[in-house]
Amino acid sequence: AQSVTQLDSQVPVFEEAPVELRCNYSSSVSVYLFWYVQYPNQGLQLLLKYLSGSTLVKGINGFEAEFNKSQTSFHLRKPSVHISDTAEYFCAVSPPGSGGYNKLIFGAGTRLAVHP
Amino acid sequence: EPEVTQTPSHQVTQMGQEVILRCVPISNHLYFYWYRQILGQKVEFLVSFYNNEISEKSEIFDDQFSVERPDGSNFTLKIRSTKLEDSAMYFCASSEAGDREGLSGNTIYFGEGSWLTVV
Repeated sequence: AQSVTQLDSQVPVFEEAPVELRCNYSSSVSVYLFWYVQYPNQGLQLLLKYLSGSTLVKGINGFEAEFNKSQTSFHLRKPSVHISDTAEYFCAVSPPGSGGYNKLIFGAGTRLAVHP
Repeated sequence: EPEVTQTPSHQVTQMGQEVILRCVPISNHLYFYWYRQILGQKVEFLVSFYNNEISEKSEIFDDQFSVERPDGSNFTLKIRSTKLEDSAMYFCASSEAGDREGLSGNTIYFGEGSWLTVV
Protein backbone atom coordinates (compact mmCIF):
# COMPACT_ATOMS: atom_id res chain seq x y z
CA ALA A 1 0.00 0.00 0.00
CA GLN A 2 1.09 3.55 -0.64
CA SER A 3 1.02 6.53 1.69
CA VAL A 4 2.02 10.18 1.51
CA THR A 5 3.30 12.42 4.28
CA GLN A 6 3.41 16.15 3.97
CA LEU A 7 5.62 17.23 6.78
CA ASP A 8 4.28 20.76 7.20
CA SER A 9 0.61 21.54 7.65
CA GLN A 10 1.24 25.28 7.28
CA VAL A 11 4.08 27.27 5.76
CA PRO A 12 4.10 31.04 6.21
CA VAL A 13 6.47 32.96 3.96
CA PHE A 14 7.05 36.52 2.86
CA GLU A 15 6.46 37.61 -0.71
CA GLU A 16 9.45 37.12 -3.04
CA ALA A 17 11.06 34.65 -0.64
CA PRO A 18 11.84 31.08 -1.72
CA VAL A 19 9.70 28.23 -0.46
CA GLU A 20 9.93 24.46 -0.20
CA LEU A 21 6.97 22.24 0.58
CA ARG A 22 8.01 18.81 1.67
CA CYS A 23 6.52 15.51 0.61
CA ASN A 24 7.63 11.99 1.44
CA TYR A 25 5.96 8.83 0.26
CA SER A 26 5.97 5.17 1.13
CA SER A 27 5.53 2.49 -1.47
CA SER A 28 6.81 -0.99 -2.23
CA VAL A 29 6.43 -0.37 -5.96
CA SER A 30 7.34 2.43 -8.29
CA VAL A 31 4.81 5.23 -8.30
CA TYR A 32 3.89 8.28 -10.23
CA LEU A 33 4.08 11.51 -8.22
CA PHE A 34 1.93 14.61 -8.43
CA TRP A 35 1.50 18.01 -6.86
CA TYR A 36 -1.94 19.62 -6.95
CA VAL A 37 -2.93 23.11 -5.81
CA GLN A 38 -6.29 24.20 -4.44
CA TYR A 39 -6.97 27.93 -4.44
CA PRO A 40 -9.74 29.17 -2.15
CA ASN A 41 -13.16 28.03 -3.30
CA GLN A 42 -11.74 26.20 -6.30
CA GLY A 43 -11.06 22.62 -7.30
CA LEU A 44 -7.76 20.80 -7.45
CA GLN A 45 -5.43 21.85 -10.24
CA LEU A 46 -2.35 19.93 -11.36
CA LEU A 47 0.92 21.79 -10.78
CA LEU A 48 3.30 19.12 -12.04
CA LYS A 49 3.88 15.40 -12.19
CA TYR A 50 6.74 12.93 -12.30
CA LEU A 51 6.31 9.78 -14.35
CA SER A 52 9.86 8.88 -15.37
CA GLY A 53 13.05 10.40 -16.77
CA SER A 54 14.59 13.56 -15.41
CA THR A 55 14.16 13.82 -11.67
CA LEU A 56 13.67 17.59 -11.81
CA VAL A 57 10.19 18.42 -12.99
CA LYS A 58 8.99 21.88 -13.90
CA GLY A 59 5.37 22.83 -13.57
CA ILE A 60 3.08 25.78 -13.92
CA ASN A 61 3.40 29.11 -12.14
CA GLY A 62 7.16 28.76 -11.68
CA PHE A 63 7.01 25.70 -9.44
CA GLU A 64 9.36 22.74 -9.70
CA ALA A 65 9.85 19.51 -7.83
CA GLU A 66 12.63 17.00 -7.51
CA PHE A 67 12.12 13.28 -7.25
CA ASN A 68 14.59 11.60 -4.91
CA LYS A 69 14.17 7.86 -5.00
CA SER A 70 16.64 7.07 -2.24
CA GLN A 71 14.90 9.46 0.14
CA THR A 72 11.42 8.70 -1.24
CA SER A 73 10.77 12.40 -1.47
CA PHE A 74 9.17 14.76 -3.95
CA HIS A 75 9.61 18.25 -2.53
CA LEU A 76 8.02 21.24 -4.23
CA ARG A 77 9.96 24.47 -4.62
CA LYS A 78 9.57 27.96 -5.92
CA PRO A 79 12.43 30.49 -5.89
CA SER A 80 10.22 33.54 -5.37
CA VAL A 81 6.61 33.39 -4.24
CA HIS A 82 3.77 35.81 -4.87
CA ILE A 83 0.73 36.68 -2.85
CA SER A 84 -1.31 34.79 -5.45
CA ASP A 85 0.47 31.54 -4.52
CA THR A 86 -1.46 31.46 -1.26
CA ALA A 87 -3.32 28.15 -1.44
CA GLU A 88 -3.44 24.56 -0.22
CA TYR A 89 -0.90 22.26 -1.87
CA PHE A 90 -1.39 18.52 -2.07
CA CYS A 91 1.19 15.89 -2.85
CA ALA A 92 -0.17 12.64 -4.30
CA VAL A 93 1.09 9.30 -5.55
CA SER A 94 -0.39 6.80 -7.92
CA PRO A 95 0.86 3.30 -8.62
CA PRO A 96 1.10 2.62 -12.35
CA GLY A 97 -2.26 1.08 -13.09
CA SER A 98 -2.88 -2.04 -15.08
CA GLY A 99 -6.23 -0.70 -16.11
CA GLY A 100 -5.02 2.48 -17.69
CA TYR A 101 -6.26 4.79 -14.97
CA ASN A 102 -4.80 6.51 -11.95
CA LYS A 103 -5.93 6.26 -8.37
CA LEU A 104 -4.47 9.14 -6.45
CA ILE A 105 -3.45 8.80 -2.82
CA PHE A 106 -3.16 12.23 -1.28
CA GLY A 107 -1.18 13.72 1.53
CA ALA A 108 -2.89 15.86 4.14
CA GLY A 109 -1.98 19.08 2.38
CA THR A 110 0.20 22.08 3.18
CA ARG A 111 -1.32 25.51 3.49
CA LEU A 112 1.04 28.07 1.99
CA ALA A 113 0.40 31.58 3.28
CA VAL A 114 2.31 34.33 1.49
CA HIS A 115 2.52 37.60 3.38
CA PRO A 116 3.43 41.04 1.95
CA GLU B 1 -9.65 25.08 -21.49
CA PRO B 2 -12.02 22.14 -20.98
CA GLU B 3 -13.12 21.60 -17.41
CA VAL B 4 -15.06 19.27 -15.19
CA THR B 5 -18.25 20.87 -13.93
CA GLN B 6 -20.18 19.86 -10.83
CA THR B 7 -23.61 20.66 -9.49
CA PRO B 8 -24.73 21.65 -6.98
CA SER B 9 -21.88 23.62 -5.47
CA HIS B 10 -23.51 23.40 -2.05
CA GLN B 11 -26.27 21.19 -0.70
CA VAL B 12 -27.77 20.84 2.75
CA THR B 13 -29.80 17.72 3.37
CA GLN B 14 -31.57 16.07 6.24
CA MET B 15 -30.07 12.91 7.68
CA GLY B 16 -31.63 9.87 6.03
CA GLN B 17 -32.39 11.62 2.76
CA GLU B 18 -30.98 10.63 -0.61
CA VAL B 19 -28.62 12.95 -2.43
CA ILE B 20 -27.49 12.97 -6.05
CA LEU B 21 -24.36 14.87 -6.99
CA ARG B 22 -23.91 15.58 -10.66
CA CYS B 23 -20.83 15.99 -12.79
CA VAL B 24 -20.07 16.66 -16.42
CA PRO B 25 -16.59 15.27 -17.17
CA ILE B 26 -14.37 16.56 -19.95
CA SER B 27 -15.90 15.38 -23.18
CA ASN B 28 -13.15 13.16 -24.62
CA HIS B 29 -12.24 11.56 -21.29
CA LEU B 30 -13.03 7.94 -20.62
CA TYR B 31 -12.23 7.49 -16.93
CA PHE B 32 -14.34 9.10 -14.26
CA TYR B 33 -13.79 9.36 -10.52
CA TRP B 34 -15.27 10.56 -7.29
CA TYR B 35 -13.13 11.70 -4.39
CA ARG B 36 -14.18 13.27 -1.15
CA GLN B 37 -12.60 15.48 1.48
CA ILE B 38 -14.05 15.62 4.96
CA LEU B 39 -13.27 18.98 6.57
CA GLY B 40 -9.73 18.99 7.89
CA GLN B 41 -8.90 15.57 6.45
CA LYS B 42 -7.19 14.18 3.37
CA VAL B 43 -8.72 13.96 -0.06
CA GLU B 44 -9.84 10.32 -0.36
CA PHE B 45 -10.49 8.17 -3.40
CA LEU B 46 -14.02 6.79 -3.56
CA VAL B 47 -14.49 5.16 -6.95
CA SER B 48 -13.31 4.98 -10.54
CA PHE B 49 -15.58 4.24 -13.47
CA TYR B 50 -14.81 3.13 -17.01
CA ASN B 51 -16.83 1.67 -19.84
CA ASN B 52 -20.04 1.92 -17.84
CA GLU B 53 -18.84 -0.02 -14.87
CA ILE B 54 -16.90 0.48 -11.67
CA SER B 55 -13.22 -0.32 -12.17
CA GLU B 56 -12.19 0.17 -8.56
CA LYS B 57 -13.80 1.33 -5.34
CA SER B 58 -12.48 2.08 -1.88
CA GLU B 59 -13.67 0.71 1.44
CA ILE B 60 -15.60 3.92 1.92
CA PHE B 61 -17.72 3.21 -1.15
CA ASP B 62 -20.19 0.80 0.43
CA ASP B 63 -23.76 -0.07 -0.53
CA GLN B 64 -24.87 3.39 0.48
CA PHE B 65 -23.13 4.81 -2.57
CA SER B 66 -23.70 4.27 -6.26
CA VAL B 67 -22.50 5.86 -9.48
CA GLU B 68 -24.09 6.09 -12.85
CA ARG B 69 -23.51 7.53 -16.28
CA PRO B 70 -27.13 8.04 -17.30
CA ASP B 71 -26.32 9.61 -20.66
CA GLY B 72 -23.33 10.53 -22.76
CA SER B 73 -22.31 13.52 -20.70
CA ASN B 74 -23.31 13.21 -17.03
CA PHE B 75 -21.72 11.18 -14.26
CA THR B 76 -23.58 11.01 -10.97
CA LEU B 77 -22.89 9.97 -7.39
CA LYS B 78 -25.91 8.88 -5.37
CA ILE B 79 -25.77 8.69 -1.61
CA ARG B 80 -28.69 6.85 -0.07
CA SER B 81 -29.86 7.46 3.47
CA THR B 82 -27.27 10.11 4.24
CA LYS B 83 -25.51 10.18 7.59
CA LEU B 84 -23.91 13.06 9.46
CA GLU B 85 -20.48 11.67 8.65
CA ASP B 86 -21.19 11.96 4.92
CA SER B 87 -20.75 15.72 5.24
CA ALA B 88 -17.79 16.53 3.01
CA MET B 89 -16.62 18.12 -0.20
CA TYR B 90 -17.15 15.67 -3.05
CA PHE B 91 -14.91 16.06 -6.08
CA CYS B 92 -15.65 14.62 -9.48
CA ALA B 93 -12.71 14.02 -11.79
CA SER B 94 -11.93 12.61 -15.20
CA SER B 95 -8.94 11.51 -17.26
CA GLU B 96 -8.06 10.26 -20.71
CA ALA B 97 -7.54 6.59 -21.48
CA GLY B 98 -4.23 4.96 -20.68
CA ASP B 99 -1.73 3.83 -23.24
CA ARG B 100 -1.60 0.44 -24.91
CA GLU B 101 0.37 -1.11 -22.11
CA GLY B 102 -2.33 -0.11 -19.67
CA LEU B 103 -0.01 2.31 -17.94
CA SER B 104 -1.24 5.77 -17.29
CA GLY B 105 0.28 8.88 -15.93
CA ASN B 106 -2.53 10.84 -17.44
CA THR B 107 -3.55 13.93 -15.59
CA ILE B 108 -6.71 13.68 -13.56
CA TYR B 109 -8.79 16.84 -13.92
CA PHE B 110 -10.92 17.79 -10.94
CA GLY B 111 -14.10 19.78 -10.69
CA GLU B 112 -14.59 22.51 -8.13
CA GLY B 113 -16.43 20.20 -5.79
CA SER B 114 -19.86 19.84 -4.27
CA TRP B 115 -20.04 20.70 -0.61
CA LEU B 116 -22.53 18.41 1.12
CA THR B 117 -23.78 19.17 4.62
CA VAL B 118 -25.95 16.58 6.35
CA VAL B 119 -27.94 17.93 9.29
